[in-house]
Amino acid sequence: GQNIDQPTEMTATEGAIVQINCTYQTSGFNGLFWYQQHAGEAPTFLSYNVLDGLEEKGRFSSFLSRSKGYSYLLLKELQMKDSASYLCAVTDSNYQLIWGAGTKLIIKP
Amino acid sequence: DVKVTQSSRYRVKRTGEKVFLECVQDMDHENMFWYRQDPGLGLRLIYFSYDVKMKEKGDIPEGYSVSREKKERFSLILESASTNQTSMYLCASTVALTGAYEQYFGPGTRLTVT
Repeated sequence: GQNIDQPTEMTATEGAIVQINCTYQTSGFNGLFWYQQHAGEAPTFLSYNVLDGLEEKGRFSSFLSRSKGYSYLLLKELQMKDSASYLCAVTDSNYQLIWGAGTKLIIKP
Repeated sequence: DVKVTQSSRYRVKRTGEKVFLECVQDMDHENMFWYRQDPGLGLRLIYFSYDVKMKEKGDIPEGYSVSREKKERFSLILESASTNQTSMYLCASTVALTGAYEQYFGPGTRLTVT
């Protein structure tokens, strides 16, 4: 079966750095997405990786290793508004998007 | 500004009632999706549509049907609502299934079936 694993919850301090990991086992791979979802709101796109390596976008970076079936989202200079759930999703060989259950990130002052 | 809208944020229905959830996108996207989101389970695909009048079952289609008569509108139908269909329902659309094309989500409809 297809599976995406993320930690259920993480806690970090305002101003610090946090890394949210995602491992996947899917039938094929055609890209990996990260989305942010604030409580009670819709998910919004953060990043996309299809090749190995690091993609940087402001305070957020996303890394991919296809051989390891592994990605992480790195958030720097954490702000209170970064408190949200972070969803990892992989496009499989049929171009279907497989979603992880999400990681709830709690930021403390 | 791209937009996906859903007909209501909250709905309360009784067991056995027929429920229509509407979704409209203004981006001329070919592909539209219905998901449900439950705590600890992530987003699960109910149905998707890649063109007008076309539909494909997702992972959990049982108890649901869909309709896509116009490109911008994708409706989810619960023929006979049951308590296990209490959930957050999210509609999304995207221009393509391949590549770095993100899905745009509506605000969600929280459905409670009593």
